[in-house]
Amino acid sequence: EIVLTQSPGTLSLSPGERATLSCRASQSVSSSYLAWYQQKPGQAPRLLIYGASSRATGIPDRFSGSGSGTDFTLTISRLEPEDFAVYYCQQYGSSPPCTFGQGTKLEIK
Amino acid sequence: EVQLVQSGAEVKKPGESLKISCKGSGYSFTSYWIGWVRQMPGKGLEWMGIIYPGDSDTRYSPSFQGQVTISADKSISTAYLQWSSLKASDTAMYYCARVLVPATARDAFDIWGQGTMVTVSS
Repeated sequence: EIVLTQSPGTLSLSPGERATLSCRASQSVSSSYLAWYQQKPGQAPRLLIYGASSRATGIPDRFSGSGSGTDFTLTISRLEPEDFAVYYCQQYGSSPPCTFGQGTKLEIK
Repeated sequence: EVQLVQSGAEVKKPGESLKISCKGSGYSFTSYWIGWVRQMPGKGLEWMGIIYPGDSDTRYSPSFQGQVTISADKSISTAYLQWSSLKASDTAMYYCARVLVPATARDAFDIWGQGTMVTVSS
């Protein structure tokens, strides 16, 4: 089973700043089958990025994904107030299971 | 509109059985794998398993194999997650979610249900 480790656990930033979230896999994720989700309190997760770098439908272009192999990054270029949430990465190259990372909480500084 | 609508919150006692549902609409239900994801209170997401309603092919995470049963009734576009004997540790929010690409089990989830909260307490 591939283990995903996200860092940092909590990221404190201000609106307008750039956010960089990391997701590291215990072994290589085949074909960059890596997704990112955003979850706000009381809501279901929302798909942001799939295939490591493709934005899902309706996702603003301030969200971008990059990486391959074992190291992946989600970047939010300029934080908006609605971006403060918990972010999860997920690998789906090795199934089952398609494992999730433990999450990064992005909070307002 | 493509959506998944889950059944309502449940409160059960340890040892009881339970079956929760997830109804798809707005798309070809038999063409997309549907997965189940657990979120324990205050915790992260856990991938439980996935089913292809077209032929009921099912895959489980080793952590959940034998603990739950995933099924689907394509005639009513509904997937299910069931327990035969609940434990207090099953208390969690359970989400169903549809994969992005038709007929692809190894995929991201682009459509999510609203979640079903299951509380198991004596």
